[in-house]
Amino acid sequence: GQNIDQPTEMTATEGAIVQINCTYQTSGFNGLFWYQQHAGEAPTFLSYNVLDGLEEKGRFSSFLSRSKGYSYLLLKELQMKDSASYLCAYDNYGQNFVFGPGTRLSVLP
Amino acid sequence: DAGVIQSPRHEVTEMGQEVTLRCKPISGHNSLFWYRQTMMRGLELLIYFNNNVPIDDSGMPEDRFSAKMPNASFSTLKIQPSEPRDSAVYFCASSLQGPLYEQYFGPGTRLTVT
Repeated sequence: GQNIDQPTEMTATEGAIVQINCTYQTSGFNGLFWYQQHAGEAPTFLSYNVLDGLEEKGRFSSFLSRSKGYSYLLLKELQMKDSASYLCAYDNYGQNFVFGPGTRLSVLP
Repeated sequence: DAGVIQSPRHEVTEMGQEVTLRCKPISGHNSLFWYRQTMMRGLELLIYFNNNVPIDDSGMPEDRFSAKMPNASFSTLKIQPSEPRDSAVYFCASSLQGPLYEQYFGPGTRLTVT
């Protein structure tokens, strides 16, 4: 079976750091993606983790633990424009692609 | 590059009518994906093509839905007959080669079936 879960909503303050978690259960797994989606717009790619560990890309970092079925997206120095939904997704050996329900992040001044 | 192009951007139709959504992927991309997004179910993969061949259509809801990719630069998603529960935003995305690569999404088609 396939299962992927994220918190529904999070709130943080401008300039702060926030961590968005994603847990998954699947019989097949290649890698874990993170996408950002602003309200009324299409998703855009943020990161892709295949190996365990932390991948850093500017203010955004993504972590993966394959053995624990766990990933997180870390956003530093939050800006108002970071208010959006963040979706994790995994690839099932190229046969399928499953998105999580998304976490709606609100950044407050 | 113009990115992934979808048409129409908005479609309002009556229950029972046929609906055709169109997508032009980014030139040079070999994979194309159709998604549906609703508040209740989130973003769901309907079908994806690799080199114009359907690889996984397990997400297609039922026989009322069909998708084709006659060539590398064009795909359609057809719903016949449409029902109110089909109301959603339908996204098309493309990638260089399969789901292991970054997917570039089109702007989506907002479908309303009354």
